[in-house]
Order: sequence, then structure tokens, then C-alpha cells
Amino acid sequence: EIVLTQSPATLSLSPGERATLSCGASQSVSYLAWYQHKPGLAPRLLIYDASSRATGIPDRFSGSGSGTDFTLTISRLEPEDFAVYYCQQYGGSPPYTFGQGTKVEIK
Amino acid sequence: ETQLLESGGGLGQPGGSLRLSCAASGFTFSSHAMSWVRQAPGQGLEWVSLISGSDGSTNYADSVKGRFIISRDNSKNTLYLQMNSLRAEDTAVYHCAQSGVRVVGGVINWGQGTLVTVSS
Repeated sequence: EIVLTQSPATLSLSPGERATLSCGASQSVSYLAWYQHKPGLAPRLLIYDASSRATGIPDRFSGSGSGTDFTLTISRLEPEDFAVYYCQQYGGSPPYTFGQGTKVEIK
Repeated sequence: ETQLLESGGGLGQPGGSLRLSCAASGFTFSSHAMSWVRQAPGQGLEWVSLISGSDGSTNYADSVKGRFIISRDNSKNTLYLQMNSLRAEDTAVYHCAQSGVRVVGGVINWGQGTLVTVSS
């Protein structure tokens, strides 16, 4: 099973600041996605294939990386961006594991 | 517009059973693999199970293997999760999740979820 480790666990930032979230894999992954999750709502796909933005996602969200090291960057935080972010590896052999999440909170 | 609507959650007894359903609309259901993903209280997301769109092949997380059964009825655009031998640690919100056509396992659309509570 591939283990995904996200860091930091919590990121305290102000609106307008840049957020950099990391996701490390215990072995090389085929495909990686990033999701945003707010309490009481369905999670939302942000990035797939490590760096492709999903339909309707603002360009302040970007993904990068390959192999075992991946990054989600939010260039300038908007008030609606404060949420929990998860990475997930998929496309290879199951289980399609998630990271434990990074909470982006208002400083 | 894609919609995924889960139902069937509620209170289950330890050792008992529950059956979850997910009604899908807005896309060609049979073309997509479908998954169940859960979130226990205060915890992160956990992939539970996946069923392919075409041949119905299935995969499970070790935590539910041998207890849960995923299935689908493409004529009714509905996904199911039969949950047997329930344990307290199965308490969670269960989300129905649509995979992309090209690569399975990732989630392109999510349902809002149904809460399952396992308690005596």
C-alpha cells in the first residue's frame, strides 16, 4: 500500500498570501489528485494527473511534482479557500490512498 | 449536471448490516468506475471500495475486505454498498464517488454523503 504524507498538518495564513502544501509518497505513484473539502459539503476535485486543473477551478490553484513528491500551490488565498486539502494517488493498483490532509486556516 | 445522491445511512448494530445506495444522473453511468470513500468523525478521507464500469470487477480496502460488498445496477444508474459485520470503527460519512473514464480510482465528482453510525 502506498502511504501519502501531507505537510504541514495545519497552515495558518492570511487572505492574499501564498499557500504551499506538500504530499510525499512512500513509493512512486502513477497519478495524483488534490481535493478541497469544507465541513458538511462534498469534496471538490482541484487538480488531477498532478498538474491539470479540473473544470472550473481558478488558476490561482496549481499542482506540480512527479514520482514521490508533489505540491499544491494557491498563489493568493481568497476567503473561500480556507478548507482542508487532501492528496490521493490513483491509477495503479488499489488501494487508492489519501493523505491525512492539510488544514488551511485563517491567521 | 452530474448528481450523486446517497441514501441508506443510519444507525447500525455492531455485527449487523446496512445497505447504502447512490443514485447517479447527468452522465453515462456504465462508462465510469465508481467508488465509496468514507470519513470517520474527526478523521481524513479513506478509500473503501471501487467497481469498474464495464466488467464489474471490484477492489476493497483491507479494513472492509470480506465484510463489505460493492455492486452496481447500470440499468438503474445506481451504486450499492452492502455493509456486513459492522464495527464501531465503520462509523463515518460515506461518499459515493465517480471516477474518470481514462484512469480509475481518482474522483471527478462526489456525493454529499450519508452518515452511518454503528452503536448498540
